Amino acid sequence: GAGVSQTPSNKVTEKGKYVELRCDPISGHTALYWYRQSLGQGPEFLIYFQGTGAADDSGLPNDRFFAVRPEGSVSTLKIQRTERGDSAVYLCASSLTLPTAQYFGPGTRLTVL
Amino acid sequence: QQQVKQSPQSLIVQKGGISIINCAYENTAFDYFPWYQQFPGKGPALLIAIRPDVSEKKEGRFTISFNKSAKQFSLHIMDSQPGDSATYFCAATQGTSGSRLTFGEGTQLTVNP
Repeated sequence: GAGVSQTPSNKVTEKGKYVELRCDPISGHTALYWYRQSLGQGPEFLIYFQGTGAADDSGLPNDRFFAVRPEGSVSTLKIQRTERGDSAVYLCASSLTLPTAQYFGPGTRLTVL
Repeated sequence: QQQVKQSPQSLIVQKGGISIINCAYENTAFDYFPWYQQFPGKGPALLIAIRPDVSEKKEGRFTISFNKSAKQFSLHIMDSQPGDSATYFCAATQGTSGSRLTFGEGTQLTVNP
């Protein structure tokens, strides 16, 4: 079956702009995660959804970052007033139950000029 | 706070050799330890995972060795192949906290033909 998909694959924006990153999890997976990966680093946790609700958003760096999952499937990560330091690959993962394997999408490479 | 430390940062192995990557963790509540393989421009792909109730798990050429008392675990890649050249990440999670993965810093493996 289809894996986790993320769109766009690349996003270039200017400092101060608003961006939205989309994640389509594996069908039937109830848990969805967002991570951020900087060059040469391991992914860092941002937020976790169980169903429609954000069960743990303690990894979001500040209030410019927000994520939603209104119907318990697709999720959108929203970044307001982007800064150059937000440049990274944003990864989405999903899992069937807890605790179990998380399957990652290909990521969205965000570049803030 | 770095909760999962990974070494070495880079590793060069000849084809047919054994690649060994080590990780150490601090949080004794961690109860699931996956390894991910990541190729440039791709998302991390789950390779193999272990729970602390077993000391070793083998899947094909990949073996995880787990030492609960030392809080260490390692990945062994037998008969390493040039196609194994990638970045490898160990990770750990605590199921009761929602399974957010804490990743190591990564090991860039190069297998020379």
